[in-house]
Amino acid sequence: SQKIEQNSEALNIQEGKTATLTCNYTNYSPAYLQWYRQDPGRGPVFLLLIRENEKEKRKERLKVTFDTTLKQSLFHITASQPADSATYLCALLMDTGRRALTFGSGTRLQVQP
Amino acid sequence: DAGITQSPRHKVTETGTPVTLRCHQTENHRYMYWYRQDPGHGLRLIHYSYGVKDTDKGEVSDGYSVSRSKTEDFLLTLESATSSQTSVYFCAISGGGQDGYTFGSGTRLTVV
Repeated sequence: SQKIEQNSEALNIQEGKTATLTCNYTNYSPAYLQWYRQDPGRGPVFLLLIRENEKEKRKERLKVTFDTTLKQSLFHITASQPADSATYLCALLMDTGRRALTFGSGTRLQVQP
Repeated sequence: DAGITQSPRHKVTETGTPVTLRCHQTENHRYMYWYRQDPGHGLRLIHYSYGVKDTDKGEVSDGYSVSRSKTEDFLLTLESATSSQTSVYFCAISGGGQDGYTFGSGTRLTVV
């Protein structure tokens, strides 16, 4: 079955380091992939979209890669700050018959000062 | 969140009672979605709408119904609430295509 996998274990890093989060998907070739940030008690917030023909996308300290051969996206936060601590979700349109995103369960990032 | 509001923010209800959650948008977006979020499961799609009176089921639609009589409002109804429907419910809107979703602040529903 089609599914999205994100590391369920929290990622703990030191301030100033680069955080790298992984999103793997199976049995599908999405046209694009999105990343969201979610803070406790809040709804997810859209961060970035990367299309299948884009290998890399950048926005300020954020960088996303998309490898359609490996069926994997990597989400990087450079020069991480404690304020970057949150849960990060990836999302794909996995079923074109259903025009809605499927979300991964997210990876919690904790940046230590 | 700007342009989208959910009500109520919190609700406690008894098993077997009907419950309606409301999502209201001011963005005139075509697409509206209801997701539930539970520990270990992430966000799961309940129902979505692609226009007034046009709705479709998501992966966890059993026990839920929706209605969209106006562009700005998308209602989620639990006909007879069960404890398994205790969750945080999020509404989202999108202009379609590859647009990112804008989520509401969520409704925390507890069924006792």
